[in-house]
Amino acid sequence: NAGVMQNPRHLVRRRGQEARLRCSPMKGHSHVYWYRQLPEEGLKFMVYLQKENIIDESGMPKERFSAEFPKEGPSILRIQQVVRGDSAAYFCASSPVGQLNTEAFFGQGTRLTVV
Amino acid sequence: AQKITQTQPGMFVQEKEAVTLDCTYDTSDQSYGLFWYKQPSSGEMIFLIYQGSYDEQNATEGRYSLNFQKARKSANLVISASQLGDSAMYFCAMNGGNTGFQKLVFGTGTRLLVSP
Repeated sequence: NAGVMQNPRHLVRRRGQEARLRCSPMKGHSHVYWYRQLPEEGLKFMVYLQKENIIDESGMPKERFSAEFPKEGPSILRIQQVVRGDSAAYFCASSPVGQLNTEAFFGQGTRLTVV
Repeated sequence: AQKITQTQPGMFVQEKEAVTLDCTYDTSDQSYGLFWYKQPSSGEMIFLIYQGSYDEQNATEGRYSLNFQKARKSANLVISASQLGDSAMYFCAMNGGNTGFQKLVFGTGTRLLVSP
């Protein structure tokens, strides 16, 4: 049973380009959570999605960031017009239902570097 | 709002000794969960152990145990018989709330260094 899969593992973008990060949840999981980890910090919640719905985006920056989880395919975190401050590790987690879970497994993360 | 505090930026321990990593939390929720994660230098987040707020017994997973003191709002991680491979960042996190969904709040982490 494959775990949470994220790709790419590493992504380099020039300032002003777009970054697309993908997350495929564990089999049978319909809820996805994105977190960002700035250097030397803990993870910060960004957004929680179900299939075709955004449930909570309270941690998402108001501009340039968007997320989706379509009926088919992986969840996508999209960052438009990247800036140096977007350089971070982006982690995805998934769960089977949106209840208080006793396990929370993360993907291996995507490390975004903006040059 | 929920908050996790980890006051130890770094800890040192000798191989085969036990070490305790501190974590205190703040929440007004009655139902919540507490987690510990290990992040080695390779960067992935490895789930270690979970404690539910209604669990009466402390959680244990192999060499990891969680010292849960609800009245003090603390959830310290105890690693017994440290190994060199335990050198990593360790994060305490919690979830819960009226909405009940799986949104984790993390602490700032403790860097553990195990020496031979």
